[in-house]
Amino acid sequence: QSALTQPASVSGSPGQSITISCTGTSSDVGGYNYVSWYQQHPGEAPKLMIYGVTNRPSGVSNRFSGSKSGNTASLTISGLQAGDEADYYCSSYTSTGTLYVIFGGGTRLTVL
Amino acid sequence: EVQLVESGGNLIQPGGSLRLSCAASGFIVSSNYMSWVRQAPGKGLEWVSIIYPGGGTYYAGSVKDRFSISRDNSKNTLYLQMNSLRGEDTALYYCARGVTMIIGNGLDVWGQGTTVTVSS
Repeated sequence: QSALTQPASVSGSPGQSITISCTGTSSDVGGYNYVSWYQQHPGEAPKLMIYGVTNRPSGVSNRFSGSKSGNTASLTISGLQAGDEADYYCSSYTSTGTLYVIFGGGTRLTVL
Repeated sequence: EVQLVESGGNLIQPGGSLRLSCAASGFIVSSNYMSWVRQAPGKGLEWVSIIYPGGGTYYAGSVKDRFSISRDNSKNTLYLQMNSLRGEDTALYYCARGVTMIIGNGLDVWGQGTTVTVSS
């Protein structure tokens, strides 16, 4: 079963907004509101940024927001900061194949 | 403080076995759904296994029948027994806690990971 599809890289300047997409199918992203997003800095463990498509865990900045339309989920980061530079992964519950949870391939965010 | 600490990773020959441990503090493992996720060197995240509070377990197809997830409630510790190891199992293994009781809805507490290298 293929991973969810994310762009390999995105970039933006400090203060700008960027959006990372995560495309799946009706058996995962499109079929359930169980999409989550993770931030991973080099050498560190992933950090949950969004769960249940739009929910932010306590302590996560409100500059991070999630949404979904059809089979594509999106993570938007507003007011880009240097510390946002990291890899971002989406994840979803999936009802097909031999998986229950599927991740995207990851997107490297560069803050210019 | 809510924390997870993994241990047990090592260099192991193909076909060998290894047991990973994940000690929790600040919360009760048996009251949460707990997961193992791995990351091969330079690659993305891959879900491996989940155990529910009720004891139900689920596995990715790539590890089913070779890996077994379990917990020791008295030690508040999660385990991953890995048998018949292959080169493609080489990865950093993380344990993590489910943010809700819904499988796939997000993992909010992660350990620092333990490295498994399968090579002759």
